[in-house]
Amino acid sequence: DSGVTQTPKHLITATGQRVTLRCSPRSGDLSVYWYQQSLDQGLQFLIQYYNGEERAKGNILERFSAQQFPDLHSELNLSSLELGDSALYFCASSGGGSGQPQHFGDGTRLSIL
Amino acid sequence: EDKVVQSPLSLVVHEGDTVTLNCSYEVTNFRSLLWYKQEKKAPTFLFMLTSSGIEKKSGRLSSILDKKELFSILNITATQTGDSAIYLCAAHGSSNTGKLIFGQGTTLQVKP
Repeated sequence: DSGVTQTPKHLITATGQRVTLRCSPRSGDLSVYWYQQSLDQGLQFLIQYYNGEERAKGNILERFSAQQFPDLHSELNLSSLELGDSALYFCASSGGGSGQPQHFGDGTRLSIL
Repeated sequence: EDKVVQSPLSLVVHEGDTVTLNCSYEVTNFRSLLWYKQEKKAPTFLFMLTSSGIEKKSGRLSSILDKKELFSILNITATQTGDSAIYLCAAHGSSNTGKLIFGQGTTLQVKP
C-alpha cells in the first residue's frame, strides 16, 4: 500500500459528460502529480501541484483541469469527454523536493461509452 | 524532445533465470532515473538513481546508472513467477518540477 488513495476505482460514463477524479496524497507529501496511462501512449504526465499551487504542466488537454485543496487532496476534472479519454488515471505524491521518488495510487479506470 | 526508451519491450524467461532490462534516456537537465514495477494496479517504486556507477540493490534486484552513456539497467537474478510484471523506467529532467518521463515499459513473464 503506497499510502496514496484514489477514488473512484472505476468510472463508466458517456461521451460529452464531465467527471471528477479524487486523490489523497501520502501523509506529509506536498506534491501531487496526475498521469494518464493508455495502451498506445504509456504513462503520460498531465500536471503537478505543490502545496496548492500549480508547479508543472504536461500535455494536458484544455478540457481537463485540476486543483489541490488546502488539505492537500487533489481533484482532476475531465469535461466534454471523448472516447479517446478512456484510460487509467494515476495520481502520485512526493515530499516535493526533486530528490524524492513519487509513490502512485491504484488509479481510476475511466471508460467512455 | 525528452524521451526514454526501454528494451526489450517483452521478455519470457523461466524461473531461476537472470534477466537484464535496459533503459536509455535523452532528457534535458537530467536529475535522476527511477525504476517502477507495475503489476495489476499502481506502479511500485523500486529504485532511484542519481549517480553514475553506484549500484543499488534490493534482494534479487539491482540497478545501475551510466550518465556518460545515458542508460540504466535493472537486473533480476533467480527470477520467480512473482517477478512477472511490467517494469517501467522514468527520468526526472527538471530541477523545478517533479515531472517524470516514462519509457514504454518492459513486460516480463516468468514461467514456472
